[in-house]
Amino acid sequence: AQKITQTQPGMFVQEKEAVTLDCTYDTSDPSYGLFWYKQPSSGEMIFLIYQGSYDQQNATEGRYSLNFQKARKSANLVISASQLGDSAMYFCALQIMEYGNKLVFGAGTILRVKS
Amino acid sequence: DVKVTQSSRYLVKRTGEKVFLECVQDMDHENMFWYRQDPGLGLRLIYFSYDVKMKEKGDIPEGYSVSREKKERFSLILESASTNQTSMYLCASSPGDNQPQHFGDGTRLSIL
Repeated sequence: AQKITQTQPGMFVQEKEAVTLDCTYDTSDPSYGLFWYKQPSSGEMIFLIYQGSYDQQNATEGRYSLNFQKARKSANLVISASQLGDSAMYFCALQIMEYGNKLVFGAGTILRVKS
Repeated sequence: DVKVTQSSRYLVKRTGEKVFLECVQDMDHENMFWYRQDPGLGLRLIYFSYDVKMKEKGDIPEGYSVSREKKERFSLILESASTNQTSMYLCASSPGDNQPQHFGDGTRLSIL
């Protein structure tokens, strides 16, 4: 069975510092994808970054990078130079590579950036 | 930009009512999804559809049904609403594998 675990219910970080949000996953399928989404208090889900299981390099998108450790089955999100607007809920999700490409989500981590 | 539109941001219904949640996307995406979001549980997949008139059960389909008569529209139906279906409902669409799902703004549904 596919599963995503986010062990940090909540995190604090000082403005301008970097923060790592943890995500571990479990799947027996060799072909999969990992996504991170941000959900501000307004409720919309914003796509941040994607990592494919066969990608050789860690994904990066601006201040977001994904620390992908395949052997450990972890896909941690690193946010550099935190900003107040980064305060939100963050979800890690595992994509199942079958028709419909459905996602399995973790429980989420609430991030609060302090000024 | 992809636009996924959910018909209501907030909805209040009574137990036993039949409830329709509508979702429309404007990017000709093949795949559409319905999730519910509850604190501490993340998003859980209710149903998804990979083509018109096709539907597949997700992880928590009980008490729900769906309809996809047109490619751009995916409806979630609560056949007889119950209080344990009070939740945030999110619709999403995607063009295919390795592509992110694009979400609507969500419908916060309360069943009284």
